[in-house]
Amino acid sequence: DIQLTQSPSFLSASIGDRVTITCRASQVISSYLAWYQLKPGKAPNLLIYGASTLQSGVPSRFSGSGSGTEFTLTVSSLQPEDFATYYCQQLNSYPITFGQGTRLEIK
Amino acid sequence: QVQLQESGPGLVLPSQTLALTCSVSGDSFSSGGYYWSWIRQHPGKGLQWIAYIHYSGKTYYNPSLKSRITMSVDASKNQFSLKLSSVTAADTAMYYCARYHSNSGDNYFDYWGQGTLVTVSS
Repeated sequence: DIQLTQSPSFLSASIGDRVTITCRASQVISSYLAWYQLKPGKAPNLLIYGASTLQSGVPSRFSGSGSGTEFTLTVSSLQPEDFATYYCQQLNSYPITFGQGTRLEIK
Repeated sequence: QVQLQESGPGLVLPSQTLALTCSVSGDSFSSGGYYWSWIRQHPGKGLQWIAYIHYSGKTYYNPSLKSRITMSVDASKNQFSLKLSSVTAADTAMYYCARYHSNSGDNYFDYWGQGTLVTVSS
């Protein structure tokens, strides 16, 4: 199975901050990487697919980059609704796997 | 707008079979480019992809769970289902259903249900 390692696991930041989350894959996955936002009691939300394509309806302050084994998710200016847990996911090979998550909290 | 809703018992006895159904509303259920999936999240832990099924009945299972999983689809009702046999406490989790888009080289899970918590306990 392809292992995805996210860093950091926990991030404390303030409104307006720029934050970056990294996802490293144990094997090359081309650009078959997606990012999701999870909040308690809500349906998970697709943010980015194909490593860098913004899902329709997602604010442009979210961006993704990378290919091969190293990927990043950046939020350019944190808003109150962005405090959540973020997961990367690889869809290059079976089984589909996720990173362990990054919990983003208000400082 | 596609909407998914999970249903099923919140409590399952150990060694029994967990059975969940996902109802899909909106367009796309019988579209060739989509698969219908189950994903779970153990309490305080990360996400685990379980399986997905095409409306034609073709299935893909996570090898770590394959021996215990059965997925089925009822296209007439816009529903798909998961059965997980011989459950233990380790199967206690939030179970999500989701739509898997696999078309034109883009793969992603774009619509999700809100999840249903299943506890395995006597």
